[in-house]
Amino acid sequence: QQQVKQSPQSLIVQKGGISIINCAYENTAFDYFPWYQQFPGKGPALLIAIRPDVSEKKEGRFTISFNKSAKQFSLHIMDSQPGDSATYFCAARWSNYQLIWGAGTKLIIKP
Amino acid sequence: DGGITQSPKYLFRKEGQNVTLSCEQNLNHDAMYWYRQDPGQGLRLIYYSQIVNDFQKGDIAEGYSVSREKKESFPLTVTSAQKNPTAFYLCASRSQGSYGYTFGSGTRLTVV
Repeated sequence: QQQVKQSPQSLIVQKGGISIINCAYENTAFDYFPWYQQFPGKGPALLIAIRPDVSEKKEGRFTISFNKSAKQFSLHIMDSQPGDSATYFCAARWSNYQLIWGAGTKLIIKP
Repeated sequence: DGGITQSPKYLFRKEGQNVTLSCEQNLNHDAMYWYRQDPGQGLRLIYYSQIVNDFQKGDIAEGYSVSREKKESFPLTVTSAQKNPTAFYLCASRSQGSYGYTFGSGTRLTVV
């Protein structure tokens, strides 16, 4: 119930391609779904976030798609660049502002 | 510049020793968090604090202790009771009413 399942564990995409990372959850009480980006040796940084009353949110090359009925949400990175190579975490907000984290996806963009 | 400072960046500890990881923030955030990160796993919550002089256990608190005597500081002690302490430790903070977390750059602890 409290888990957020993230896939794939790792992903290799050619430069200029679309990177897609998926997350699924069970608890319908989750009310905020952020994505964080983490570079090696650094802490995660908030990339983009969405609430469940919105089906899509776009910020530059990054888009979250949210399917409330399927309890799934995904991150799309358009025109992927080598600088996008990082580990990406999805998360869901639980009560009292606690975040439940996915296991992470290591994304490699090949030049 | 406002942010979270974690120190040291790398820490080596002998088995049986306690060690304290520092976390300081100048963002005036109310809530602070400690997470542990292991390869291939998500972030696991160790302890969190919503206000000064109060803190709560997270999912993996055994073998760890914290204090919150000042709003800006939330040190984590890894005790000898922690069976597998080698990991990357992340401190985060959040402003009251905000959903976003701000993370420090982490401390990598290695037991030798």
